[in-house]
Amino acid sequence: QQQVKQSPQSLIVQKGGISIINCAYENTAFDYFPWYQQFPGKGPALLIAIRPDVSEKKEGRFTISFNKSAKQFSLHIMDSQPGDSATYFCAASRSSASKIIFGSGTRLSIRP
Amino acid sequence: DARVTQTPRHKVTEMGQEVTMRCQPILGHNTVFWYRQTMMQGLELLAYFRNRAPLDDSGMPKDRFSAEMPDATLATLKIQPSEPRDSAVYFCASGFLDTQYFGPGTRLTVL
Repeated sequence: QQQVKQSPQSLIVQKGGISIINCAYENTAFDYFPWYQQFPGKGPALLIAIRPDVSEKKEGRFTISFNKSAKQFSLHIMDSQPGDSATYFCAASRSSASKIIFGSGTRLSIRP
Repeated sequence: DARVTQTPRHKVTEMGQEVTMRCQPILGHNTVFWYRQTMMQGLELLAYFRNRAPLDDSGMPKDRFSAEMPDATLATLKIQPSEPRDSAVYFCASGFLDTQYFGPGTRLTVL
């Protein structure tokens, strides 16, 4: 119940295309869903996050879509650029707890 | 620009040796996390502290790993004795509200 399942494990997208990464969770007590981005040799960093009171959040080219009834959420990267090549982790937590449950990660490569 | 700092950035050691990794969290953050990252296991939570008190260390092999927070500016992760399977990148993160801020990591290689 504590797991967050992420897919795909790796993804190759052409420059200018749309990258889509999907995640699913079981624990309905989760109320905060962040995405972290990690470049090689660096620690993960918060990219964008959503709470379940909205179905979508957009920041620039990055959009989170959230489906509360299906217990699924996804990250969409529009107009994908080579600089977006990184590993992306979805995550979930309860606001009352400090602990974040991370997905297994998706290695994204954007081909020029 | 406040950042989490970790030392050392790289460590190569021989099996059986003691390894100590240090982390300076961002001032004012009340939670500190230790993670281990490998290709096979991904990002694993080892332990975390709130207000310097250990809250959860269930992800840590108890017989050889220990984590402490002697003061608000220092967290340590110790491995004694180290084994080749401990080779990984170890991240410290400090937390504020719902966000975790990760350090650059310590890359540990145990020969």
